[in-house]
Amino acid sequence: GAGVSQSPSNKVTEKGKDVELRCDPISGHTALYWYRQRLGQGLEFLIYFQGNSAPDKSGLPSDRFSAERTGESVSTLTIQRTQQEDSAVYLCASSPVQEYQETQYFGPGTRLLVL
Amino acid sequence: AQKVTQAQTEISVVEKEDVTLDCVYETRDTTYYLFWYKQPPSGELVFLIRRNSFDEQNEISGRYSWNFQKSTSSFNFTITASQVVDSAVYFCALSVVGNQFYFGTGTSLTVIP
Repeated sequence: GAGVSQSPSNKVTEKGKDVELRCDPISGHTALYWYRQRLGQGLEFLIYFQGNSAPDKSGLPSDRFSAERTGESVSTLTIQRTQQEDSAVYLCASSPVQEYQETQYFGPGTRLLVL
Repeated sequence: AQKVTQAQTEISVVEKEDVTLDCVYETRDTTYYLFWYKQPPSGELVFLIRRNSFDEQNEISGRYSWNFQKSTSSFNFTITASQVVDSAVYFCALSVVGNQFYFGTGTSLTVIP
């Protein structure tokens, strides 16, 4: 079946512009996660969604970052007034349920470059 | 607090050599899961293995094997007879009840033909 998909694959933007990154999880997966991976670094947790529960936003680095998810489907990560430090790969993952023992399945990521 | 340490940032081996990637974790929880993921140059993380804290039995899958030792809080990953296709960044991760995943900073493995 289809895996996690993300769009766009690459995004180049100018400092100060807003960007939207999209994630389509695996069908039937109720949990969805966003991570940021800076060049040569590990994964930095941003936010996760579980069904209709309130999302855990504890990893969002600033109020310029926000995310939405419609039900158990698509999620959009929005970065407002982008800064050069926002340049990174943004990874989305989904899992069948939001339980700590569940394996996360990752998408290919969106490579964001802020000039 | 939870933490995963992968002290080896980069490793290079010649094809057919064995290589071990180290992973040390910290948690006060008694119930937790450990994971290994592979990130090839294409960028997409691929799940390799999941191990719960109550199962210390080592696991072998083809050329891959994992050594889980609670006494040293380690979950090391060995590739036997490495191949060029094994070149990737490998991440170790920890998850505990309450959910967040904690990833190490990764080990970049280069297998030289």
